[in-house]
Amino acid sequence: QVQLKETGPDLVQLTQTLSITCTVSGFSLTTYNVHWVRQPPGKGLEWMGAMWNGGGTDYNSAFKSRLSISRDTSKSQVFLKMNSLQTDDTAKYFCARSFNYGSYVMDAWGQGASVTVSS
Amino acid sequence: DIQMTQSPASLSASLGETVSIECLASEDIYSYLAWYQQKPGKSPQLLIYAANRLQDGVPSRFSGSGSGTQYSLKISGMQPEDEGDYFCLQGSKFPFTFGSGTKLEIK
Repeated sequence: QVQLKETGPDLVQLTQTLSITCTVSGFSLTTYNVHWVRQPPGKGLEWMGAMWNGGGTDYNSAFKSRLSISRDTSKSQVFLKMNSLQTDDTAKYFCARSFNYGSYVMDAWGQGASVTVSS
Repeated sequence: DIQMTQSPASLSASLGETVSIECLASEDIYSYLAWYQQKPGKSPQLLIYAANRLQDGVPSRFSGSGSGTQYSLKISGMQPEDEGDYFCLQGSKFPFTFGSGTKLEIK
Protein backbone atom coordinates (compact mmCIF):
# COMPACT_ATOMS: atom_id res chain seq x y z
CA GLN A 1 0.00 0.00 0.00
CA VAL A 2 1.44 3.34 -1.07
CA GLN A 3 1.63 5.86 1.75
CA LEU A 4 3.27 9.22 2.34
CA LYS A 5 3.28 11.04 5.66
CA GLU A 6 4.52 14.52 6.43
CA THR A 7 5.82 15.38 9.88
CA GLY A 8 6.93 18.78 11.03
CA PRO A 9 6.23 21.66 13.39
CA ASP A 10 2.81 23.25 13.66
CA LEU A 11 4.30 26.66 14.41
CA VAL A 12 7.43 28.39 13.15
CA GLN A 13 8.65 31.84 14.12
CA LEU A 14 9.01 34.61 11.59
CA THR A 15 12.37 34.52 9.73
CA GLN A 16 13.14 31.05 11.06
CA THR A 17 13.62 27.80 9.13
CA LEU A 18 10.94 25.21 8.35
CA SER A 19 11.88 21.53 8.24
CA ILE A 20 9.37 18.87 7.20
CA THR A 21 10.00 15.16 6.69
CA CYS A 22 8.05 13.01 4.22
CA THR A 23 8.23 9.33 5.13
CA VAL A 24 7.07 6.99 2.38
CA SER A 25 6.12 3.33 2.27
CA GLY A 26 4.95 0.93 -0.39
CA PHE A 27 7.39 2.20 -3.01
CA SER A 28 11.05 3.03 -3.45
CA LEU A 29 12.49 6.54 -3.68
CA THR A 30 14.90 5.21 -6.31
CA THR A 31 11.96 4.27 -8.55
CA TYR A 32 9.52 7.14 -8.00
CA ASN A 33 9.89 10.89 -7.63
CA VAL A 34 8.60 12.94 -4.69
CA HIS A 35 7.28 16.48 -5.02
CA TRP A 36 6.44 19.17 -2.50
CA VAL A 37 3.26 21.20 -2.97
CA ARG A 38 1.79 23.76 -0.61
CA GLN A 39 -1.66 25.25 -0.10
CA PRO A 40 -2.28 28.42 1.92
CA PRO A 41 -5.53 28.37 3.92
CA GLY A 42 -8.53 28.66 1.60
CA LYS A 43 -6.34 29.05 -1.47
CA GLY A 44 -4.98 27.05 -4.38
CA LEU A 45 -2.01 24.75 -4.82
CA GLU A 46 1.59 25.76 -5.51
CA TRP A 47 4.28 23.39 -6.74
CA MET A 48 7.49 23.93 -4.77
CA GLY A 49 9.94 21.40 -6.12
CA ALA A 50 10.84 17.78 -6.66
CA MET A 51 13.32 15.10 -5.65
CA TRP A 52 13.85 12.88 -8.68
CA ASN A 53 14.36 9.14 -8.38
CA GLY A 54 17.94 9.55 -9.55
CA GLY A 55 18.72 11.94 -6.71
CA GLY A 56 18.52 15.24 -8.60
CA THR A 57 16.25 18.10 -7.66
CA ASP A 58 14.27 20.89 -9.32
CA TYR A 59 12.84 23.93 -7.60
CA ASN A 60 10.24 26.56 -8.30
CA SER A 61 12.23 29.75 -8.80
CA ALA A 62 9.53 31.58 -6.77
CA PHE A 63 11.31 30.24 -3.72
CA LYS A 64 14.70 31.45 -5.00
CA SER A 65 17.44 30.06 -2.78
CA ARG A 66 15.23 29.63 0.32
CA LEU A 67 14.25 26.05 -0.47
CA SER A 68 16.21 22.83 -0.22
CA ILE A 69 14.99 19.27 -0.84
CA SER A 70 17.05 16.23 0.10
CA ARG A 71 16.50 12.55 0.88
CA ASP A 72 17.70 9.52 2.81
CA THR A 73 16.82 6.48 0.72
CA SER A 74 17.80 4.07 3.51
CA LYS A 75 15.04 5.57 5.66
CA SER A 76 12.59 6.19 2.78
CA GLN A 77 12.47 9.85 3.70
CA VAL A 78 12.46 13.09 1.74
CA PHE A 79 13.17 16.38 3.49
CA LEU A 80 11.99 19.91 2.83
CA LYS A 81 13.88 22.79 4.34
CA MET A 82 12.93 26.41 3.77
CA ASN A 83 14.49 29.40 5.47
CA SER A 84 13.57 33.03 6.08
CA LEU A 85 9.92 32.21 6.66
CA GLN A 86 7.31 34.95 6.32
CA THR A 87 3.65 35.02 7.32
CA ASP A 88 2.58 34.21 3.77
CA ASP A 89 4.41 30.89 4.08
CA THR A 90 1.58 29.79 6.38
CA ALA A 91 0.16 26.80 4.51
CA LYS A 92 -0.46 23.09 4.43
CA TYR A 93 2.60 21.38 2.96
CA PHE A 94 2.05 18.17 1.00
CA CYS A 95 4.51 15.62 -0.33
CA ALA A 96 3.34 13.62 -3.31
CA ARG A 97 4.67 10.76 -5.42
CA SER A 98 4.85 11.08 -9.18
CA PHE A 99 5.25 8.70 -12.06
CA ASN A 100 6.57 9.41 -15.52
CA TYR A 101 4.23 9.15 -18.50
CA GLY A 102 6.17 11.48 -20.72
CA SER A 103 5.75 14.17 -18.12
CA TYR A 104 5.17 13.67 -14.40
CA VAL A 105 1.90 13.41 -12.56
CA MET A 106 1.37 13.18 -8.83
CA ASP A 107 -0.75 10.11 -8.10
CA ALA A 108 -0.44 9.68 -4.34
CA TRP A 109 -0.31 12.38 -1.71
CA GLY A 110 0.31 12.62 2.00
CA GLN A 111 -2.31 14.11 4.28
CA GLY A 112 -0.31 17.32 4.56
CA ALA A 113 1.42 19.17 7.39
CA SER A 114 -0.17 22.44 8.49
CA VAL A 115 2.35 25.12 9.34
CA THR A 116 1.65 28.54 10.82
CA VAL A 117 4.32 31.23 10.70
CA SER A 118 4.00 33.42 13.75
CA SER A 119 5.44 36.81 14.51
CA ASP B 1 5.75 30.49 -15.95
CA ILE B 2 2.72 28.94 -17.67
CA GLN B 3 -0.51 30.45 -16.39
CA MET B 4 -3.51 28.15 -16.02
CA THR B 5 -6.83 29.99 -16.14
CA GLN B 6 -9.57 27.80 -14.71
CA SER B 7 -13.30 28.43 -15.00
CA PRO B 8 -15.78 28.68 -13.52
CA ALA B 9 -14.62 29.52 -10.01
CA SER B 10 -17.74 27.93 -8.59
CA LEU B 11 -20.55 25.80 -9.90
CA SER B 12 -23.66 24.18 -8.54
CA ALA B 13 -25.26 21.21 -10.23
CA SER B 14 -28.26 18.98 -9.70
CA LEU B 15 -27.89 15.25 -9.18
CA GLY B 16 -27.53 13.55 -12.55
CA GLU B 17 -26.55 16.75 -14.34
CA THR B 18 -23.52 16.88 -16.64
CA VAL B 19 -20.87 19.36 -15.52
CA SER B 20 -17.86 20.82 -17.34
CA ILE B 21 -14.83 22.64 -15.97
CA GLU B 22 -12.30 24.34 -18.23
CA CYS B 23 -8.61 25.15 -18.05
CA LEU B 24 -6.87 27.47 -20.48
CA ALA B 25 -3.07 27.44 -20.61
CA SER B 26 -1.05 30.53 -21.52
CA GLU B 27 0.87 28.42 -24.05
CA ASP B 28 0.72 24.98 -25.63
CA ILE B 29 1.11 22.30 -22.92
CA TYR B 30 1.01 19.31 -25.31
CA SER B 31 -1.70 17.47 -23.33
CA TYR B 32 0.47 17.35 -20.19
CA LEU B 33 -2.58 18.17 -18.13
CA ALA B 34 -4.00 16.49 -15.05
CA TRP B 35 -7.21 16.99 -13.08
CA TYR B 36 -7.58 16.57 -9.32
CA GLN B 37 -10.48 16.50 -6.87
CA GLN B 38 -9.99 17.75 -3.34
CA LYS B 39 -12.44 17.34 -0.46
CA PRO B 40 -12.29 19.72 2.55
CA GLY B 41 -9.34 18.96 4.80
CA LYS B 42 -8.07 16.22 2.49
CA SER B 43 -5.29 15.87 -0.03
CA PRO B 44 -5.93 16.07 -3.79
CA GLN B 45 -6.97 12.89 -5.59
CA LEU B 46 -5.86 12.30 -9.19
CA LEU B 47 -8.75 11.88 -11.63
CA ILE B 48 -7.30 12.35 -15.12
CA TYR B 49 -3.78 12.67 -16.54
CA ALA B 50 -2.39 13.20 -20.02
CA ALA B 51 -5.54 15.24 -20.66
CA ASN B 52 -7.81 12.22 -21.15
CA ARG B 53 -6.43 9.13 -19.32
CA LEU B 54 -8.61 8.00 -16.45
CA GLN B 55 -6.66 7.16 -13.31
CA ASP B 56 -7.23 3.62 -12.00
CA GLY B 57 -10.22 3.41 -9.68
CA VAL B 58 -11.81 6.69 -10.82
CA PRO B 59 -15.46 6.33 -11.91
CA SER B 60 -16.03 6.40 -15.66
CA ARG B 61 -18.41 9.38 -15.35
CA PHE B 62 -15.25 11.50 -15.19
CA SER B 63 -13.62 12.27 -18.53
CA GLY B 64 -11.07 14.71 -19.85
CA SER B 65 -10.48 16.23 -23.24
CA GLY B 66 -8.56 18.94 -24.98
CA SER B 67 -5.29 19.77 -26.66
CA GLY B 68 -2.94 22.66 -27.18
CA THR B 69 -4.02 25.33 -24.71
CA GLN B 70 -7.63 24.31 -23.99
CA TYR B 71 -8.71 21.47 -21.73
CA SER B 72 -11.86 20.37 -19.98
CA LEU B 73 -13.08 17.96 -17.33
CA LYS B 74 -16.56 16.54 -17.68
CA ILE B 75 -18.63 14.79 -15.05
CA SER B 76 -21.46 12.90 -16.74
CA GLY B 77 -24.13 12.57 -14.11
CA MET B 78 -23.35 14.50 -10.95
CA GLN B 79 -23.29 12.36 -7.77
CA PRO B 80 -23.34 13.58 -4.16
CA GLU B 81 -19.76 12.39 -3.62
CA ASP B 82 -18.57 14.62 -6.50
CA GLU B 83 -18.91 17.75 -4.36
CA GLY B 84 -15.52 19.30 -3.76
CA ASP B 85 -12.81 21.44 -5.29
CA TYR B 86 -11.29 20.62 -8.66
CA PHE B 87 -7.88 21.73 -9.91
CA CYS B 88 -6.01 21.34 -13.16
CA LEU B 89 -2.22 20.95 -13.25
CA GLN B 90 0.12 21.46 -16.18
CA GLY B 91 3.24 19.29 -16.37
CA SER B 92 4.67 20.65 -19.60
CA LYS B 93 7.23 23.06 -18.17
CA PHE B 94 8.81 23.82 -14.83
CA PRO B 95 7.53 25.16 -12.59
CA PHE B 96 4.45 22.98 -12.73
CA THR B 97 1.43 25.23 -12.22
CA PHE B 98 -2.12 24.65 -11.03
CA GLY B 99 -5.37 26.27 -12.01
CA SER B 100 -7.04 28.41 -9.34
CA GLY B 101 -9.71 25.81 -8.69
CA THR B 102 -13.44 25.24 -9.12
CA LYS B 103 -15.76 24.67 -6.18
CA LEU B 104 -18.49 22.22 -7.20
CA GLU B 105 -21.60 21.94 -5.08
CA ILE B 106 -24.91 20.13 -5.27
CA LYS B 107 -27.82 22.38 -6.19
